[in-house]
Amino acid sequence: QVQLQESGPGLVKPSETLSLTCTVSGGSISSYYWSWIRQPPGKGLEWIGYIYYSGSTSYNPSLKSRVTISVDTSKNQFSLKLTSVTAADTAVYYCARVGRSGYDEVDYWGQGTLVTVSS
Amino acid sequence: DIQMTQSPSSLSASVGDRVTITCRASQSISNYLNWYQHKPGKAPKLLIYVASSLQSGVPSRFSGSGSGTDFTLTISSLQPEDFATYYCQQSYSTPYTFGQGTKLEIK
Repeated sequence: QVQLQESGPGLVKPSETLSLTCTVSGGSISSYYWSWIRQPPGKGLEWIGYIYYSGSTSYNPSLKSRVTISVDTSKNQFSLKLTSVTAADTAVYYCARVGRSGYDEVDYWGQGTLVTVSS
Repeated sequence: DIQMTQSPSSLSASVGDRVTITCRASQSISNYLNWYQHKPGKAPKLLIYVASSLQSGVPSRFSGSGSGTDFTLTISSLQPEDFATYYCQQSYSTPYTFGQGTKLEIK
């Protein structure tokens, strides 16, 4: 059973960089796309972007200038960096796996980690 | 971006009821539509993908239908563990977008 676990600081200061890592266990990171999704308090889910294990990426245009998703296959991990954060970036951040049906459904999710942007 | 609109936003129902949640896309997304169940503090769970394919391990009381712009998720006989928030998501074109959610509560 594939499991995903997010890790990183729960509090980030405004204008700084949010950094999260997702560790994948129970399966290889190879041959899949891996995604980050977030949910601000009281709001809906927002797709941030995804990365293929080989390194190719796709980002939400609304965040593209501030987002970097990277992968480390040797550690079975992928990461999210979001620069110049503001209070609007406060959210539960989920890492997730994109399934291989060819229709890009998200078939496994982490439990999520709350990141608060505040001084 | 493709807008996804779910209705209703919330729903009260009883164990054993048949429940239908609808999702409408702002443009045609063929059958690139997925449904998720989310309980507080837990990882969201994939229920249905490609509009009507049941994810492995998901009970058969869950079903999905639709294509183009209009889709439905049906729970044939509600069980206590089904009370949660349900989201639709289009994976037709990036940025992939979600509906605002339907919170299913116990009547």
